[in-house]
Amino acid sequence: DAGVTQTPRHEVAEKGQTIILKCEPVSGHNDLFWYRQTKIQGLELLSYFRSKSLMEDGGAFKDRFKAEMLNSSFSTLKIQPTEPKDSAVYLCASRDRGQNTLYFGAGTRLSVL
Amino acid sequence: QQQVRQSPQSLTVWEGGTTVLTCSYEDSTFNYFPWYQQFPGEGPALLISILSVSDKKEDGRFTTFFNKREKKLSLHIIDSQPGDSATYFCAAPYTGNYKYVFGAGTRLKVIA
Repeated sequence: DAGVTQTPRHEVAEKGQTIILKCEPVSGHNDLFWYRQTKIQGLELLSYFRSKSLMEDGGAFKDRFKAEMLNSSFSTLKIQPTEPKDSAVYLCASRDRGQNTLYFGAGTRLSVL
Repeated sequence: QQQVRQSPQSLTVWEGGTTVLTCSYEDSTFNYFPWYQQFPGEGPALLISILSVSDKKEDGRFTTFFNKREKKLSLHIIDSQPGDSATYFCAAPYTGNYKYVFGAGTRLKVIA
């Protein structure tokens, strides 16, 4: 079975640009999470979907971050406009219904200049 | 937001030694505690987990201990190997197990 696939692996953006990160969860998984990972803050939850419904939109990340789940096998995270402080690794994870284990993708490393 | 605190931040051990990582949490309603292992350039992957009804779980060289009274967890790695060099995160679910809060991670380096 394919794991969680994230594209691109690396993204470089100029300040003020719009970027879209993509995620394909494990086939059949019901829950999808977007996390941001930095050395200082660690893993921070950005969004959580259950059966394509947005359950959590990350509070402090609301204004410039928008996650969508277009269908059960594809999700995007849009950052608009980007700022240098958005430089981080963005991780997508999925989980099967009723299970506890999160399956993470390899992440997208974003650098905002 | 509920906190999960990990220590130490980083650790270096000799090959063959025992590694001990610790984690403390606030919310006594947490009932499932996973440890995730992350290698550079990869996402975290589940290493071992424990339910709050247990106080110990072993998987090969890895053992996790749970102390409900003190609200603490630990991860022990015996016979540590260079291949164990990674960042380790403890986590706890909240709000009905639907989302997780992660500790800040411990960066482990095992030297030969």
